[in-house]
Amino acid sequence: DTEVTQTPKHLVMGMTNKKSLKCEQHMGHRAMYWYKQKAKKPPELMFVYSYEKLSINESVPSRFSPECPNSSLLNLHLHALQPEDSALYLCASSQETARGYTFGSGTRLTVV
Amino acid sequence: GEDVEQSLFLSVREGDSSVINCTYTDSSSTYLYWYKQEPGAGLQLLTYIFSNMDMKQDQRLTVLLNKKDKHLSLRIADTQTGDSAIYFCAESPNYGGATNKLIFGTGTLLAVQP
Repeated sequence: DTEVTQTPKHLVMGMTNKKSLKCEQHMGHRAMYWYKQKAKKPPELMFVYSYEKLSINESVPSRFSPECPNSSLLNLHLHALQPEDSALYLCASSQETARGYTFGSGTRLTVV
Repeated sequence: GEDVEQSLFLSVREGDSSVINCTYTDSSSTYLYWYKQEPGAGLQLLTYIFSNMDMKQDQRLTVLLNKKDKHLSLRIADTQTGDSAIYFCAESPNYGGATNKLIFGTGTLLAVQP
């Protein structure tokens, strides 16, 4: 298995909703990442987990809450989002030597 | 700073070569990468180059690295319509830890005309 799987592929949520994005990989990668990508812009790093521990938080608002239940899973819990949070949310994983990340196909999030 | 710059747009005809350029900022980056993103999709790693190399060839792709000028380029030979996409270069600054942070360039939209 050489893929990173993200669910759901599309999500529409209201500003008062609570939802979660999920990411799964079975490549034995010990680093996992959440990126946010607005249209026609490069991905921006949000969080990095290394060995299931949060190692980087790029000053992301607390309405985004990451969780790494085990070495294969990464979640992003969403609560009280704003319309400007609408974007493509990408999950990725990598080996420590960082010979490139493997990205999932993303969750297209729309906040209404 | 952490700005990685690319030209915004490149248009080529099918069968021609494409050259996409990138200027990065952090000389400590151990690896430099090229990713491809098709509309509505995630990012696909195309190739990477180790910082002590100046060239890497992989089928139709050739990566050139000028470390002195912090300039990276991706050449695509015999460009096809399926190569139409946004191409991102990325650097991985060495912060000394086990976790590496990828910093992406601004992206170049490659349009291939039939």
